[in-house]
Amino acid sequence: DAGVIQSPRHEVTEMGQEVTLRCKPISGHDYLFWYRQTMMRGLELLIYFNNNVPIDDSGMPEDRFSAKMPNASFSTLKIQPSEPRDSAVYFCASSFQGTGELFFGEGSRLTVL
Amino acid sequence: DAKTTQPTSMDCAEGRAANLPCNHSTISGNEYVYWYRQIHSQGPQYIIHGLKNNETNEMASLIITEDRKSSTLILPHATLRDTAVYYCIVRVGDNDYKLSFGAGTTVTVRA
Repeated sequence: DAGVIQSPRHEVTEMGQEVTLRCKPISGHDYLFWYRQTMMRGLELLIYFNNNVPIDDSGMPEDRFSAKMPNASFSTLKIQPSEPRDSAVYFCASSFQGTGELFFGEGSRLTVL
Repeated sequence: DAKTTQPTSMDCAEGRAANLPCNHSTISGNEYVYWYRQIHSQGPQYIIHGLKNNETNEMASLIITEDRKSSTLILPHATLRDTAVYYCIVRVGDNDYKLSFGAGTTVTVRA
């Protein structure tokens, strides 16, 4: 079975550019999570959705970050404009009925120059 | 959520059992203990979770003390592929659907 699919796996961009990260959760899962991982701060929860509705976005760093989930099989995390401090690995994860068993994707490594 | 404390790092020998400790002295009665691991350059992977009783699955065993203030994850026969960062997480069982990852324990399995 396909797991959580993220794209792109790697993205290198210049400061000020818009970045869009994509995630396809596991079919049938009703919770979707976006995490960010850096050496300094570890794994941080940015936002999570339940049935496509954002539930808690308190971890979103600032207004430059936005996330959407237009349907049950697709979510995006957008950074506009990007800054060098946004460089990190961004993980998407999904789960079924809010269990603590999250299935993570392979991550999108973002480098902002 | 209750805070967890784990050793920063530990080594273990291939083929031997690896015992990973975690302290969660402020855990509440409705909080579960979860364990995840993250192999280099991959996303975190769920291992096991428990509330009060000891649990076992194909990957590991989880031993929770009677007072629930600490737990131990046991990898029965460690292999080189078990080298990873292991996270012990406490999560409220009812309405909190978030998992907060700490620094974890870096486990290195040596041949």
